[in-house]
Amino acid sequence: GAGVSQSPRYKVAKRGQDVALRCDPISGHVSLFWYQQALGQGPEFLTYFQNEAQLDKSGLPSDRFFAERPEGSVSTLKIQRTQQEDSAVYLCASSLAQGGYGYTFGSGTRLTVV
Amino acid sequence: SQQGEEDPQALSIQEGENATMNCSYKTSINNLQWYRQNSGRGLVHLILIRSNEREKHSGRLRVTLDTSKKSSSLLITASRAADTASYFCATDGDAGSARQLTFGSGTQLTVLP
Repeated sequence: GAGVSQSPRYKVAKRGQDVALRCDPISGHVSLFWYQQALGQGPEFLTYFQNEAQLDKSGLPSDRFFAERPEGSVSTLKIQRTQQEDSAVYLCASSLAQGGYGYTFGSGTRLTVV
Repeated sequence: SQQGEEDPQALSIQEGENATMNCSYKTSINNLQWYRQNSGRGLVHLILIRSNEREKHSGRLRVTLDTSKKSSSLLITASRAADTASYFCATDGDAGSARQLTFGSGTQLTVLP
């Protein structure tokens, strides 16, 4: 597609519920990143894929967070047993290659845990 | 954790004036990028400046980079109401195996008509 597509746009989850957030990157973009953005803050890195390989997951806040990109295109960020502190906007970005290029961001998924 | 600090945190100007935002960072970088974010939207890439460049222009945008001071500035000339948004600097550095961007906390720019 023309841009990075994320779904759902909004998600309200009850505490303890599992959620799955989807990212469709730009076709042909090798690099895919997930970021978490709290209200009024800059995005914080969660994890990075190069094609289907997850090369860095150092930003994932706990083992409740899991990301995959099995075929090197669509990626899913899964959060198990959601907590209130997981409430944030989750942004996906893709890039043509690793480093040295601007990223194209999706509009994000706003997750609210109640 | 945030790599950069933007200054000021908030800026309010009249349409037609110039807006200057500053960014400081802590570690060595390969390049520095500026992004804009409208409320409730994703980030839009504005401009990228490489570590061996000192100044770059794109339309009404002018970016400077001083690697000795680990700082950058973004100048928006002849501002418009549509420029109202949050602006983030992001550094692309050698962070282990991944070249992920590290963002600052942003400057909220308001341009009054």
